[in-house]
Amino acid sequence: KQEVTQIPAALSVPEGENLVLNCSFTDSAIYNLQWFRQDPGKGLTSLLLIQSSQREQTSGRLNASLDKSSGRSTLYIAASQPGDSATYLCAVLTMRNYQLIWGAGTKLIIKP
Amino acid sequence: DGGITQSPKYLFRKEGQNVTLSCEQNLNHDAMYWYRQDPGQGLRLIYYSQIVNDFQKGDIAEGYSVSREKKESFPLTVTSAQKNPTAFYLCASSATGEITGELFFGEGSRLTVL
Repeated sequence: KQEVTQIPAALSVPEGENLVLNCSFTDSAIYNLQWFRQDPGKGLTSLLLIQSSQREQTSGRLNASLDKSSGRSTLYIAASQPGDSATYLCAVLTMRNYQLIWGAGTKLIIKP
Repeated sequence: DGGITQSPKYLFRKEGQNVTLSCEQNLNHDAMYWYRQDPGQGLRLIYYSQIVNDFQKGDIAEGYSVSREKKESFPLTVTSAQKNPTAFYLCASSATGEITGELFFGEGSRLTVL
C-alpha cells in the first residue's frame, strides 16, 4: 500500500533563506507527483506536477525534483518571502490502483 | 473568471441532520471530486465522478452521498449515518476523467457538528 510522508510537519525559517521541503513515498510505481499550496482555511493551489518520466519541474522561485528509485521528491523554494507561508502538500498518483495518495503536509512559516 | 465555487464556507449541523455541500465549476471539466481533510492527515477521497450521471465511491464513502446531474455541479450530502462528520471538505475538478493532469480546488467548506 502506497504511503506518502512529509517531514517535518512544520518548519520556520527567516525571510530570504533558500529551503527544501521533502516528500517520500513507499511505492515507486507512480504516474506523477504533484505539489500543492494551501493557505489557512482555504483550498489547494497546484504548484508543480512532475510526470514519472521527468526529473524536475520549475516555476519561478520553485523547483521540484523527483527520484522514483529512492521514493523521494523535494520542493526547493529560493529566496523565501513571508508570502510563502502556507502548508505545502504533495500527492502521488499510483499505478497499482490509479489512486491519488496524499501526504499530511508541511506547515511553513517565513519570519520577516 | 473560471473556477470552483463551494458553499457554504461554514456550516453547523445538529446530530441526526443531513446537510448538503454545494460545488459548482465553470471550467468545463469532466471530472469532479470530493475530499475530506482532517488535521494531521492527508486528504481522503469520498466520491468522484468522471462523467455526468456517473460517480464512484472513494476510500471513505460511508455516510455520504452525491449526485452528478449536470456537468457543472457535484453536490455532497453528509447524512446522519456519518458518525464523525466534523471536518474540512474540499471539492476539486480535472479536465479529463483521468487524474493524470492538474487538479483545481475550491475554497472548501468547514462542517461542524454541534
